[in-house]
Amino acid sequence: QKEVEQNSGPLSVPEGAIASLNCTYSDRGSQSFFWYRQYSGKSPELIMSIYSNGDKEDGRFTAQLNKASQYVSLLIRDSQPSDSATYLCAVNSAYYGNNRLAFGKGNQVVVIP
Amino acid sequence: DADVTQTPRNRITKTGKRIMLECSQTKGHDRMYWYRQDPGLGLRLIYYSFDVKDINKGEISDGYSVSRQAQAKFSLSLESAIPNQTALYFCATSDRSNQPQHFGDGTRLSIL
Repeated sequence: QKEVEQNSGPLSVPEGAIASLNCTYSDRGSQSFFWYRQYSGKSPELIMSIYSNGDKEDGRFTAQLNKASQYVSLLIRDSQPSDSATYLCAVNSAYYGNNRLAFGKGNQVVVIP
Repeated sequence: DADVTQTPRNRITKTGKRIMLECSQTKGHDRMYWYRQDPGLGLRLIYYSFDVKDINKGEISDGYSVSRQAQAKFSLSLESAIPNQTALYFCATSDRSNQPQHFGDGTRLSIL
């Protein structure tokens, strides 16, 4: 079983709409969860951190965490063409003493003007 | 200036050559990491270090070695490069456990 899974294929959303990304993880002891944005050929950029169940909002981004169901999601409201990127879910690995991050393979988002 | 600096940014070399990728940081973080990224495979951890005297293998350490010369410097070496080591390489740092990692701009390495 993969540690972090992001199963959705490329997501196309109209400009101004909400983009919704989901991520599931296998390590029930994980304590910290992150979303990174990566433009093509560039480095991953941290956009959200979440540590407790519930929602966390930062500007147009909302992260949602449900530890019982072992999933974390990212909502992008009022999507802009500049949001077109690959979004990586990362979860700290309790198996390795919370000292390593496990990354999903990413979801590509395309915002259509 | 970038907090996490990787050099070189691009490198093209031949099979069998020894290659060193360097990473330096001004964030004051103790923890440093080396990843490679390949299309369809995501980020894979090569080595990581929690201080100057601590080096740990990651998922794919074969064919690679590292050196932590100082708190701020962590270099990755390919002793004898082979074409399937062609990839985008990232260095990252973090403050402590459960904290996010911060990435350098990456090195695009091509081995012919």
